[in-house]
Amino acid sequence: GAGVSQTPSNKVTEKGKYVELRCDPISGHTALYWYRQSLGQGPEFLIYFQGTGAADDSGLPNDRFFAVRPEGSVSTLKIQRTERGDSAVYLCASSASGRRDEQFFGPGTRLTVL
Amino acid sequence: QQQVKQSPQSLIVQKGGISIINCAYENTAFDYFPWYQQFPGKGPALLIAIRPDVSEKKEGRFTISFNKSAKQFSLHIMDSQPGDSATYFCAAGTQGGSEKLVFGKGTKLTVNP
Repeated sequence: GAGVSQTPSNKVTEKGKYVELRCDPISGHTALYWYRQSLGQGPEFLIYFQGTGAADDSGLPNDRFFAVRPEGSVSTLKIQRTERGDSAVYLCASSASGRRDEQFFGPGTRLTVL
Repeated sequence: QQQVKQSPQSLIVQKGGISIINCAYENTAFDYFPWYQQFPGKGPALLIAIRPDVSEKKEGRFTISFNKSAKQFSLHIMDSQPGDSATYFCAAGTQGGSEKLVFGKGTKLTVNP
């Protein structure tokens, strides 16, 4: 079956612009996670959804970052007033109900803020 | 505060050798310890995972050893192959709550032919 997909694969934007990153989880997976991976580092947790609601958003760095999952499937990570420090690979992962610890990652979106 | 410390940062092994990567954690609430393999330009892929009720788990050439009292766990790759060359991340998580994973900084493994 299809894995986690993320679009776009690459996004280049200018400082101060708004961006949206999309994640399509594995079909039927109820849990969805966003992580951010800077060069040479491990993924860093941003936010976790169980169904439609954000169960834990403690990793969002500031109020410029926001994520939604309105129908419990596709999720969008939104970043306002982008800064150069936001440049990273944004990873999405999903897991099945009852196996929430087995997180399957997508290929990521590489965001570059000029 | 880095909750999961991983070493070494890089590792070079000859084909057929054993690769060993170590991780240490601080939060005793962690109860799930996965290892992920990541190739350039790809997302991390779950390799093998262990829970603290066992001290060792083996899947093919990959073995996790877990020492609860020392709060340490390690990945052993037996008969290392050039195709194993990748970056490996250890992680830790807790059941209940968000099950978010806390990752180490990664180990870049190179297996020379």
